[in-house]
Amino acid sequence: DAKTTQPPSMDCAEGRAANLPCNHSTISGNEYVYWYRQIHSQGPQYIIHGLKNNETNEMASLIITEDRKSSTLILPHATLRDTAVYYCIVRASTTSGYSTLTFGKGTMLLVSP
Amino acid sequence: NAGVMQNPRHLVRRRGQEARLRCSPMKGHSHVYWYRQLPEEGLKFMVYLQKENIIDESGMPKERFSAEFPKEGPSILRIQQVVRGDSAAYFCASSMGQDQPQHFGDGTRLSIL
Repeated sequence: DAKTTQPPSMDCAEGRAANLPCNHSTISGNEYVYWYRQIHSQGPQYIIHGLKNNETNEMASLIITEDRKSSTLILPHATLRDTAVYYCIVRASTTSGYSTLTFGKGTMLLVSP
Repeated sequence: NAGVMQNPRHLVRRRGQEARLRCSPMKGHSHVYWYRQLPEEGLKFMVYLQKENIIDESGMPKERFSAEFPKEGPSILRIQQVVRGDSAAYFCASSMGQDQPQHFGDGTRLSIL
């Protein structure tokens, strides 16, 4: 499995953009970058995923560098409800064609008023 | 609520008893995954099932733990003769296909007295 490295914590002011970095320098060509978040006492919530192109949905944007060794999750206008642990996951592929998710320690994002 | 449904949300058992955790996947999802989150740790993959089949149980403890996903009804994670170390949050996820994003329920918090 390709390993990811994330800062343990980040702060963001409410209304500002939150930019969460992730390093995955050993990522393979057929591995996707997934982002999940976990709000306290809830299950992980899927946010977005991508392979090589930048992606955007109603929750966030994902920017992947051209060499695919790092990526950034962008929450354009953070709210207090975005306070959570954010996990960057490289999805491992197996010979069977499926993959499990390997969760690390993630980044604790604290959004303040 | 069309999300992944887990019950019960909280379960208390005494040492030596059995614990049964239930998971109803999202509508249209036939792939189910179980994860365990020990206190202050990240989620760890346990088992992956499709209808009536166990695809990957590489994360399951060798003894006392079993899982099933019958043709009709929810997926069941069963823990026999529970011990204190089984205390954790157990999360279920489902997906529409092998390579589709997994969507999580809010978990069952198991406490062993």
